[in-house]
Amino acid sequence: KNEVEQSPQNLTAQEGEFITINCSYSVGISALHWLQQHPGGGIVSLFMLSSGKKKHGRLIATINIQEKHSSLHITASHPRDSAVYICAVKAGGGADGLTFGKGTHLIIQP
Amino acid sequence: EAGVAQSPRYKIIEKRQSVAFWCNPISGHATLYWYQQILGQGPKLLIQFQNNGVVDDSQLPKDRFSAERLKGVDSTLKIQPAKLEDSAVYLCASSSPGAFREQFFGPGTRLTVL
Repeated sequence: KNEVEQSPQNLTAQEGEFITINCSYSVGISALHWLQQHPGGGIVSLFMLSSGKKKHGRLIATINIQEKHSSLHITASHPRDSAVYICAVKAGGGADGLTFGKGTHLIIQP
Repeated sequence: EAGVAQSPRYKIIEKRQSVAFWCNPISGHATLYWYQQILGQGPKLLIQFQNNGVVDDSQLPKDRFSAERLKGVDSTLKIQPAKLEDSAVYLCASSSPGAFREQFFGPGTRLTVL
């Protein structure tokens, strides 16, 4: 069973700061997701990675398969980025339900 | 393209009562997932369907939880009887075809068991 650890659990930063959220997992995977969840809201997929790096607007996600580690970066953070960011991994094979980390609760103060 | 639909959005019941949740996945998505998210934790997979067949239900508490997807489209998750610890958000997701099968999530159903 894959264990997914995220750090930090909680992060408060000032508007404009560069944010990094880390995720590590214990077993090899076929893909890793970064997801965003607003209070009372559903989950939105930000990235799905199997290798390398992806960028979308101010968000950057990287993954190191050998080290079993991924990072999510937010540049020029804004209060609307405040949310819970969740890392989730997918094993290979037919049963591909995600295993989730507990999430990082991010607050960006103006 | 319409997203994953779930209903109801909120449900409050007393322990030992029964409850059912409904999910309609994105059109054309053969794979459907039900997740349980307890407050302060990440979601946990309960069951995965491929069309109308079960792929993985290893974490579904089968003594009280059941799920079906009879026609391979929409799905129902039932709890009977409910316990206090079942209070959670129940998320439905569906995934696109193809090698990577990105998952798309519905808004969830927030269940409170009193």
